[in-house]
Amino acid sequence: AIQMTQSPSSLSASVGDRVTITCRTSQDIKSDLGWYQQKPGKAPKILIYTTSYLQSGVPSRFSGSGSGTDFTLTISSLQPEDFATYYCLQDYTYPLTFGQGTKVEIK
Amino acid sequence: QVQLRESGPGLVKPSETLSLTCTVSGGSISNYYWTWIRQSPGMGLEWIGYVYYTGSTNYNPSLNSRVTISVDTSQNQFSLNVNSVTAADTAVYYCARRVTTKPMYCFDHWGPGILVTVSS
Repeated sequence: AIQMTQSPSSLSASVGDRVTITCRTSQDIKSDLGWYQQKPGKAPKILIYTTSYLQSGVPSRFSGSGSGTDFTLTISSLQPEDFATYYCLQDYTYPLTFGQGTKVEIK
Repeated sequence: QVQLRESGPGLVKPSETLSLTCTVSGGSISNYYWTWIRQSPGMGLEWIGYVYYTGSTNYNPSLNSRVTISVDTSQNQFSLNVNSVTAADTAVYYCARRVTTKPMYCFDHWGPGILVTVSS
């Protein structure tokens, strides 16, 4: 199975900060990576698919980039509703695998 | 608006079979991959497997053939069975719809999740 290494595992940031989360895969997955946001007690929610496509309804402050084995999720200006845990997911081959998550907390 | 909802027992005894159903409303079960994912504190998010509306399946090898996923298109439901459960199978179980229409590959709709505890 493809191994996913997400970093950092947690971070503290202030409203308005630019936040970057990275995901590294153990093999080339082309651009088949998505990012999900999860709030406590809720199911994950898709933010970005296929590296950089913004899901309908997701604010444009979220963006994704990368290819091959290195990928990035960027929140350009952190908002109060963005405090959550973020997961990457490789969609390239089965079994699909998730990163271990990045918890974004209020500074 | 498509909605998914998991149902089934919240408590299962060790060595028995965990059985859950996901009911899909507001849309057809056709032409999508219907998936089970679980989340436990120790393992994070784990993809369990999928059933296509035609009945074809694919499972995570990590569950060692203990898993069966099936679909009932007449009821707009799909189901998960995990046999010979242990405490390690305690988790929140989610059902989700997977879209595979290029370039959109993602889980675009999820159920709220159901906590299943394995304990005697």
